[in-house]
Amino acid sequence: KQEVTQIPAALSVPEGENLVLNCSFTDSAIYNLQWFRQDPGKGLTSLLLIQSSQREQTSGRLNASLDKSSGRSTLYIAASQPGDSATYLCAVGGDSNYQLIWGAGTKLIIKP
Amino acid sequence: DAGITQSPRHKVTETGTPVTLRCHQTENHRYMYWYRQDPGHGLRLIHYSYGVKDTDKGEVSDGYSVSRSKTEDFLLTLESATSSQTSVYFCAITQSRELSGNTIYFGEGSWLTVV
Repeated sequence: KQEVTQIPAALSVPEGENLVLNCSFTDSAIYNLQWFRQDPGKGLTSLLLIQSSQREQTSGRLNASLDKSSGRSTLYIAASQPGDSATYLCAVGGDSNYQLIWGAGTKLIIKP
Repeated sequence: DAGITQSPRHKVTETGTPVTLRCHQTENHRYMYWYRQDPGHGLRLIHYSYGVKDTDKGEVSDGYSVSRSKTEDFLLTLESATSSQTSVYFCAITQSRELSGNTIYFGEGSWLTVV
């Protein structure tokens, strides 16, 4: 059974720093992997989608990488800003239809 | 932002009472999903729908039922609410199969407390 883990559960860094969020999964037979952002009291917004055949995806200051063999994905945020403060979740698409397996998220706080 | 409205947004109910959460979309997306989010568990799929009157169970469907009589509406019913169903419930939609890489859009959530 696929399990997705995000460590740490919370992270606080000063504004301007580059940072990396981690996502690990136990079964390398994935279809795709997505990163989402969740603001307090809000729904989730898709940030980046990486297909299993890809190694990375970039959007603005965000870069997500995927290493299936090691069961890891990272979300790199460059030049962090207070507006980046949110919870970031990763979700793995496996071989079961309609299923995304979710990590519990990393709560990121960017201090001004 | 995708047009997804969840109602009610907040509800407190007593153990044993029935509760219905509504998800309404204006995007004409075929696929709709109900998730619950609990601390330390991420999101877990309750039920999903792949068309009008076409629904199926997800990972944590016990104690929940759903109905979809119109493309735009997907209802989640707790037949007899229990304290373990205290959670945040999210509706989501996709244009086609979730795993095909199409963007998944989420509603803003419904906070349910069962006392």
